[in-house]
Amino acid sequence: AQTVTQSQPEMSVQEAETVTLSCTYDTSESDYYLFWYKQPPSRQMILVIRQEAYKQQNATENRFSVNFQKAAKSFSLKISDSQLGDAAMYFCAYRSAFGAAGNKLTFGGGTRVLVKP
Amino acid sequence: DGGITQSPKYLFRKEGQNVTLSCEQNLNHDAMYWYRQDPGQGLRLIYYSQIVNDFQKGDIAEGYSVSREKKESFPLTVTSAQKNPTAFYLCASKEVIGEAFFGQGTRLTVV
Repeated sequence: AQTVTQSQPEMSVQEAETVTLSCTYDTSESDYYLFWYKQPPSRQMILVIRQEAYKQQNATENRFSVNFQKAAKSFSLKISDSQLGDAAMYFCAYRSAFGAAGNKLTFGGGTRVLVKP
Repeated sequence: DGGITQSPKYLFRKEGQNVTLSCEQNLNHDAMYWYRQDPGQGLRLIYYSQIVNDFQKGDIAEGYSVSREKKESFPLTVTSAQKNPTAFYLCASKEVIGEAFFGQGTRLTVV
């Protein structure tokens, strides 16, 4: 079974600065997807960014970018130019690309991001 | 507007009672999922369904039951066998190829 680990329970960042969230995962599969979700106080889960394992290029979405290291099974999220609205819980998630199991998301325990004005 | 609707937003249950959480989607997605979230923790999969009239247990299915009689609906029943049901419950749906969309959740509290 796949596992996802987020080792940082909480991170604090000054507004306009950069913060990096760590995520490691364990899998024996060769093809899969990785995601970062944001959960603000409203509790709505919002997809931030997605990475396909067979793509070597790191995904980027505006101020959000990832550092995907497949051999190390590492998938970190960098938030640049942090804004007050970035304050939330962030979850790393894994999804297999194969068969029926490919539809399920496995989540890490989350990292709370605090943004200081 | 297309989306996923969970109801109610807040639900209170007495010990020993069964309660049913509603999840409806109008996105025409085949697959639907129920996750449980405890304070300060990630989401854990309870049940999922990839097609009408079929569903599979997730990682923490004990004490829960589901049905999938219509493509749009995937209700979750929290039975009296669930020993610690107080949690936040999230429903999601997705196409075969595509990303998961989440509802806004139901907060269940045992009183």
